[in-house]
Amino acid sequence: DTAVSQTPKYLVTQMGNDKSIKCEQNLGHDTMYWYKQDSKKFLKIMFSYNNKELIINETVPNRFSPKSPDKAHLNLHINSLELGDSAVYFCASSLTRPGPGLADYEQYFGPGTRLTVT
Amino acid sequence: GENVEQHPSTLSVQEGDSAVIKCTYSDSASNYFPWYKQELGKGPQLIIDIRSNVGEKKDQRIAVTLNKTAKHFSLHITETQPEDSAVYFCAASIRLTGGGNKLTFGTGTQLKVEL
Repeated sequence: DTAVSQTPKYLVTQMGNDKSIKCEQNLGHDTMYWYKQDSKKFLKIMFSYNNKELIINETVPNRFSPKSPDKAHLNLHINSLELGDSAVYFCASSLTRPGPGLADYEQYFGPGTRLTVT
Repeated sequence: GENVEQHPSTLSVQEGDSAVIKCTYSDSASNYFPWYKQELGKGPQLIIDIRSNVGEKKDQRIAVTLNKTAKHFSLHITETQPEDSAVYFCAASIRLTGGGNKLTFGTGTQLKVEL
């Protein structure tokens, strides 16, 4: 199946631990994103990478470090987890078309990783 | 930065009726407006989108309208069915010079279609 996939789907851990979430897309896209959805279901962008280069870092704490080994993968590592990090994290991807003045790009989302910090 | 407001936060309709969700945005540089449907425990699913050079787009029972002058756009679902029950998000997008685009989401509308 062509899709955006994430692992794990659920992650329960204690405060202070370090954890990683992995994301892979096989859509042939060149841009990948991480979003955070809080308990009120508000979706907010955290990071975006284009061809392995960081494009957006939306004032996310330094404890969050994305890594893109290639344009099909974007992983999220979180150090020293805090209670407030509990949320659902979504990976997404899109395809950048060349040239200026073109319309924007469809983003496709993964199934999400529910992180619970206790 | 961009700010997207979405109304209503909850919407309950009878099966077969129409549902309308409205959004406004603040940044005139936004030029792409997708709508996502999110079912419980799943990721947002792109259901329709509209680009700034178009005023209306329709796909079967779903239609979206855009008024760039007023900076608002709306989702219309006709002949609603129980499976339309979900949370719907609007978003406004700005293209990024480094590649990709930045989506700013509305706060979501919980649509419930009752039998």
